[in-house]
Amino acid sequence: DTAVSQTPKYLVTQMGNDKSIKCEQNLGHDTMYWYKQDSKKFLKIMFSYNNKELIINETVPNRFSPKSPDKAHLNLHINSLELGDSAVYFCASSPDPGTGELFFGEGSRLTVL
Amino acid sequence: EDQVTQSPEALRLQEGESSSLNCSYTVSGLRGLFWYRQDPGKGPEFLFTLYSAGEEKEKERLKATLTKKESFLHITAPKPEDSATYLCAVKSNFGNEKLTFGTGTRLTIIP
Repeated sequence: DTAVSQTPKYLVTQMGNDKSIKCEQNLGHDTMYWYKQDSKKFLKIMFSYNNKELIINETVPNRFSPKSPDKAHLNLHINSLELGDSAVYFCASSPDPGTGELFFGEGSRLTVL
Repeated sequence: EDQVTQSPEALRLQEGESSSLNCSYTVSGLRGLFWYRQDPGKGPEFLFTLYSAGEEKEKERLKATLTKKESFLHITAPKPEDSATYLCAVKSNFGNEKLTFGTGTRLTIIP
């Protein structure tokens, strides 16, 4: 009964490929997020959706495209992968966008070779 | 732009040796300051929210305090299971609803 689950946990791929990461939450929250954590452990927001609507898009290259088919799911598709995209990507959810209490998934470690 | 700086970067303590972690912040109108714990290979886990200077929150061996410029996470008589990276984040009253995180303090408690 995992609250926020992401798949896959690990991805290893070549530069130029396209990959997707899926996220699902069973907490009934309206707001979901994608965060990127780099090798120095810096956690930075990429996107936020509230009830399937994009509310935060933090200067992320347009090779990254989030999709929210319903409020329990937020997927991340990345086109034309670059070396600098290597990081751990975390999905999170919260009951409303005003709160700072987020529930994170376990992360998806992306390695681009 | 909102900024969060955490110190020290890493801290090693003997079991039972109390200490404090620091989180200095710059934000245009603090809406809230948040502490998270992150274990290796896991996502951050929420610990505390602090809203105004003078506020304190406690949970087991942890106590978080807040001033107008910084927050401290005090760890009293820590145990090895308290070993983790502790992250601080702020949310501003202005702009979008994003959390700005610091880079964390990696705490190791030696038995």
